Amino acid sequence: RKEVEQDPGPFNVPEGATVAFNCTYSNSASQSFFWYRQDCRKEPKLLMSVYSSGNEDGRFTAQLNRASQYISLLIRDSKLSDSATYLCVVNLGGGYNKLIFGAGTRLAVHP
Amino acid sequence: GAVVSQHPSRVICKSGTSVKIECRSLDFQATTMFWYRQFPKQSLMLMATSNEGSKATYEQGVEKDKFLINHASLTLSTLTVTSAHPEDSSFYICSARDLRGPQHFGDGTRLSIL
Repeated sequence: RKEVEQDPGPFNVPEGATVAFNCTYSNSASQSFFWYRQDCRKEPKLLMSVYSSGNEDGRFTAQLNRASQYISLLIRDSKLSDSATYLCVVNLGGGYNKLIFGAGTRLAVHP
Repeated sequence: GAVVSQHPSRVICKSGTSVKIECRSLDFQATTMFWYRQFPKQSLMLMATSNEGSKATYEQGVEKDKFLINHASLTLSTLTVTSAHPEDSSFYICSARDLRGPQHFGDGTRLSIL
C-alpha cells in the first residue's frame, strides 16, 4: 500500500465549478500535512497546510480527519489558472522533516 | 521569501557521462538539504537527506555510490549522477531548510541520458 494515496484524475471541470480532491495516508504517526501545487515540468509549490480544525485560504479549503487518516482539498469558483497537479504531502515529523508525496491529482479547468 | 536555486535546469548527455547538479540556498543557511527524483506521472521520491558537514542519509533502494551527494557548506549541496544511463533520466529536485523552517524547493533539473 502506498504511504500517500490520491485519485490521479484528471478532473476536467468548467470555470466556476467546485472541485474536491481526496487523499489518504497510511502512517498514523504522521504529524503534519500539506497540499502542494505542481505545474507541468516545474517544482512543487506549497499551497497550504492542513489542520484538523480546517484551513481556508480564499477559494481553497483544506481539511484533515486524523481518525480516518483522510485529507481533502476543496476549490471553489475554479479558474483557468488553477489547472495543475495537486500533491497531497505528509510529514512524518519527529524532527526529521521527511516529506512523503502523493502521486498527485491532475486538474484541468476549461472555459 | 526563501529562494533555492538549482543548476542546471536541463541536461542532455550521453550514456556513461557523470552529471553534477548544484543546489544553492540564496538567502538563508540550509542546515539540511533534500534530493528528490520524479519520473513522469509519478510522485516525488526522496533519494537522500544531507546535513551540512556530514554524510548523506540515503533512502532504501538508492545507491550511494551512484548518486554522490556533497553538502560542504550551509548554502550549497551537489548531487553527482555517476556513469549515468538512460534509466537515470528523470526530474531531479532539491529542497533546503534551515533549523526550524519548512522545505523550500529548487526549480528542478531535467536530466536526459541518450
